[in-house]
Amino acid sequence: DVKVTQSSRYLVKRTGEKVFLECVQDMDHENMFWYRQDPGLGLRLIYFSYDVKMKEKGDIPEGYSVSREKKERFSLILESASTNQTSMYLCASTLAGTGDTQYFGPGTRLTVL
Amino acid sequence: DQQVKQNSPSLSVQEGRISILNCDYTNSMFDYFLWYKKYPAEGPTFLISISSIKDKNEDGRFTVFLNKSAKHLSLHIVPSQPGDSAVYFCAASARTYKYIFGTGTRLKVLA
Repeated sequence: DVKVTQSSRYLVKRTGEKVFLECVQDMDHENMFWYRQDPGLGLRLIYFSYDVKMKEKGDIPEGYSVSREKKERFSLILESASTNQTSMYLCASTLAGTGDTQYFGPGTRLTVL
Repeated sequence: DQQVKQNSPSLSVQEGRISILNCDYTNSMFDYFLWYKKYPAEGPTFLISISSIKDKNEDGRFTVFLNKSAKHLSLHIVPSQPGDSAVYFCAASARTYKYIFGTGTRLKVLA
């Protein structure tokens, strides 16, 4: 079974803090994704990575950056957290290619005060 | 512009009856569609998929129908069970790594 883990289930940070969200997958997947889920808006893609050190912006990359130094790990960074970044953050991975099923982690509920 | 739409935010169904969840899309380039189920405080889990070369795919109690001319897909759950109560997302892909998700439909199956 594919396992995608996220470093924290719940996180509370203050405005202006730098925030790191970590995601690890154990199935040697090529592609990894970061989404945020907000009520009424569904899942929106922030960034994705198709290989180590490779990344592409998704639909809402502003205020975020990512890092993928190792194949199994994909980090989402909020350089200076703001209250409008309070959300559920979901990491996902797929094996390779297009049309593959995405496997999701359990999510991190981030609250920025 | 919402390319994938789930116009019903919620749906209630009696146990044992059929649940029908709908999804509409606007991009004719989409060729692969998936349904995910999400319980509170958990990540979405894959349920069933369909490629554009098919119009139906079945897996146990779950069937997905695709109507390409109407740009519409639906998920049928028969019979519905209380454990099916969750939020259901449809997603679409156009031969890229990127998936576009709908806003979700909350299904409640009443015992």
